[in-house]
Amino acid sequence: GESVGLHLPTLSVQEGDNSIINCAYSNSASDYFIWYKQESGKGPQFIIDIRSNMDKRQGQRVTVLLNKTVKHLSLQIAATQPGDSAVYFCAETTSGSRLTFGEGTQLTVNP
Amino acid sequence: EPEVTQTPSHQVTQMGQEVILRCVPISNHLYFYWYRQILGQKVEFLVSFYNNEISEKSEIFDDQFSVERPDGSNFTLKIRSTKLEDSAMYFCASSGIYRVRREKLFFGSGTQLSVL
Repeated sequence: GESVGLHLPTLSVQEGDNSIINCAYSNSASDYFIWYKQESGKGPQFIIDIRSNMDKRQGQRVTVLLNKTVKHLSLQIAATQPGDSAVYFCAETTSGSRLTFGEGTQLTVNP
Repeated sequence: EPEVTQTPSHQVTQMGQEVILRCVPISNHLYFYWYRQILGQKVEFLVSFYNNEISEKSEIFDDQFSVERPDGSNFTLKIRSTKLEDSAMYFCASSGIYRVRREKLFFGSGTQLSVL
């Protein structure tokens, strides 16, 4: 399953499918990006980060892709599990400045 | 694994009252932050704190807000006279250890503030 555009608030996928969550950022000077996962009633939890001198970074079951040309960031989750159900936020910053969060996408994983 | 801890988890107060939200950042971190999240909305920056002073603050962080690091472990956010619109989840975060980018923030579980 895939979300399109910053303002699509929900994404529903089947357990075992791959998920793609998209984020558009506005500041062309941003040089560092983070994906956070937020479960209900909890604080944002760091998932993966990427610097602007890279276009791809992989973690455990997650991959972040950065396209600076179109100011687009995506988070790919492989073999999505029910425990992945949460709201996912992208965040951007320039060096030494505040971390600015995007709107968030609610990912629901159906068994 | 080290984590940011926040107390209380829930705070209910009357409009006009003062509240103090408390945080214990991760022990070897150098930068401290407060963010807030109104229900269903994105996480918003309030203030950052480094070397015992505010390094950046947002337009939300007006004269009713203040932060303090009263000792070597605690970091507090005070709202002097609460308003209804201050109702939100308040998150403390910390960052900044050797060779790790300081914008890599680690968040606590938040304090849900309800102003009646």
